[in-house]
Amino acid sequence: DTEVTQTPKHLVMGMTNKKSLKCEQHMGHRAMYWYKQKAKKPPELMFVYSYEKLSINESVPSRFSPECPNSSLLNLHLHALQPEDSALYLCASSQDLTAWETQYFGPGTRLLVL
Amino acid sequence: AQSVTQPDIHITVSEGASLELRCNYSYGATPYLFWYVQSPGQGLQLLLKYFSGDTLVQGIKGFEAEFKRSQSSFNLRKPSVHWSDAAEYFCAVGAPSGGNEKLTFGTGTRLTIIP
Repeated sequence: DTEVTQTPKHLVMGMTNKKSLKCEQHMGHRAMYWYKQKAKKPPELMFVYSYEKLSINESVPSRFSPECPNSSLLNLHLHALQPEDSALYLCASSQDLTAWETQYFGPGTRLLVL
Repeated sequence: AQSVTQPDIHITVSEGASLELRCNYSYGATPYLFWYVQSPGQGLQLLLKYFSGDTLVQGIKGFEAEFKRSQSSFNLRKPSVHWSDAAEYFCAVGAPSGGNEKLTFGTGTRLTIIP
């Protein structure tokens, strides 16, 4: 099973709302990633967890808060977002955090901030 | 730091015709190179990757890519495209960056297939 699942598929939220995105994998992978993708652009790395510890934060604003409760789950908590945060949010996982490992992507959550 | 260039923003190919998508990378050592495909509204799927050995790499869905160190290229090819190949294609390089190893993506090439 090489599947990464993400919920919800779509999310509409106001600028004062708090919401969370969820990602799950059962491949035994120890690295998990959050990417943001705007239309017609490549994915931009936001956060990386390795062995449930935050390894990379690409200077993401604090209104995005990642959490890795266990090795299979990755959450992204959203609070006080701006309309420019509207995008496709992709989760990915890999065996570990090394440059040659394949990253397996979920289908994404399409977020609209009003 | 590593970088990836995909010179073609958009390519249109007739169904059944051959395809070549270009990718050039910049990195001081031997890079780890990937091609991913993204259908509209979907996540990315790995087509193939190269990190050592035979420079001609076979992937899924009939795709192949050739690593040419002298040209810093990793072009993706398919001998005969199908309408279902219409998608966005991303070349990526995996290399250590700032002490953390991560993927750097090119800007993507959108492939349109005409009947």
